[in-house]
Amino acid sequence: EDQVTQSPEALRLQEGESSSLNCSYTVSGLRGLFWYRQDPGKGPEFLFTLYSAGEEKEKERLKATLTKKESFLHITAPKPEDSATYLCAVQGRGGSYIPTFGRGTSLIVHP
Amino acid sequence: DAGVIQSPRHEVTEMGQEVTLRCKPISGHNSLFWYRQTMMRGLELLIYFNNNVPIDDSGMPEDRFSAKMPNASFSTLKIQPSEPRDSAVYFCASSLSGAYNSPLHFGNGTRLTVT
Repeated sequence: EDQVTQSPEALRLQEGESSSLNCSYTVSGLRGLFWYRQDPGKGPEFLFTLYSAGEEKEKERLKATLTKKESFLHITAPKPEDSATYLCAVQGRGGSYIPTFGRGTSLIVHP
Repeated sequence: DAGVIQSPRHEVTEMGQEVTLRCKPISGHNSLFWYRQTMMRGLELLIYFNNNVPIDDSGMPEDRFSAKMPNASFSTLKIQPSEPRDSAVYFCASSLSGAYNSPLHFGNGTRLTVT
């Protein structure tokens, strides 16, 4: 059974204070690891897909990286508008298209 | 594209009443997912359809829950009778299956409150 654990559960940063969110996973052959952003009152919004260890993807102040056991979402010089819950999900090679989601990290960036 | 459209956005009902949630997936997507999100349990998959056929309904809590997808552009999730513990945000998501690594696209959810 695929498993995803995200840490920390909650993170408070000052504007400009860089940090990283962690997503640890176990899966029987990784097909893809996904990062989503969820704002209050909205559905998760897709950010990145990572396919193999060593891969990196960037979008504005966000950079996602992947190893064989975990993924990091690095946030550089965050702004208050980066405040959201960040969800990680994995899709394994078990034959199902169903991704397994973590519980998320709630990020608050104070001005 | 309008994205995944869910209705209603909010639903307040009394225990024992029937509740029907609706979803219109993104045109061309052939996979549809219903999720439930709570603070305690996070995102839980309820049911997954592929090409309008239910593939995995192991997440459906009990017989009070049922889901249908009569065509490629519409799905419903019904709860009958509803109970206070069903209170949660229900999300519908769609994707292009047949393509692993295709991300899910979520609607903005229906917030259900059962009193």
